[in-house]
Amino acid sequence: AQSVSQHNHHVILSEAASLELGCNYSYGGTVNLFWYVQYPGQHLQLLLKYFSGDPLVKGIKGFEAEFIKSKFSFNLRKPSVQWSDTAEYFCAVNAPFGNEKLTFGTGTRLTIIP
Amino acid sequence: DAGVIQSPRHEVTEMGQEVTLRCKPISGHDYLFWYRQTMMRGLELLIYFNNNVPIDDSGMPEDRFSAKMPNASFSTLKIQPSEPRDSAVYFCASSLERDRGKAFFGQGTRLTVV
Repeated sequence: AQSVSQHNHHVILSEAASLELGCNYSYGGTVNLFWYVQYPGQHLQLLLKYFSGDPLVKGIKGFEAEFIKSKFSFNLRKPSVQWSDTAEYFCAVNAPFGNEKLTFGTGTRLTIIP
Repeated sequence: DAGVIQSPRHEVTEMGQEVTLRCKPISGHDYLFWYRQTMMRGLELLIYFNNNVPIDDSGMPEDRFSAKMPNASFSTLKIQPSEPRDSAVYFCASSLERDRGKAFFGQGTRLTVV
């Protein structure tokens, strides 16, 4: 079974700081990888996803993530955060080819200080 | 489309009572998921359906939980009898077969069992 680890439970940054949120997964086969965001009081939304190809994935709102297979990692990055990026971020994984079950990490709460 | 619609948004009930959560997925979506979110365990997949058929219910915590999808536009998650440890936010999500992993989430139902 797959599992996802997000080691940073709460990250606090000032505006314009660079962001990197860690995500490691555990699964022996090919995986699809996702980052979801949950803004305060709102539902989860897909930020970006990786299925295959270029391991550097661009998402919405200036976010990107890099899939490093040898490290089983899919870290989320943004060069310069804004106050509006305050949210909870979830990394998720599923095994392709018939399995739709998304396994989520426990999430990282990001607080941006103006 | 209005997105995934869940009702009620908030539910407070006494221990031992039956609770029914409702979900209307996005029209045309093939998959429907029920997730539970708690501080301790993060987002957990409870069950998912493909074309109204339950595919994986391994995440359903115990027999007190049951889920149905009588048609493509409606699903219920029932807890009977409810217990305080069931208090959580329950999310419903739906997705398309051809856009795997891109799940659209509802606003969630915040359940409090006292």
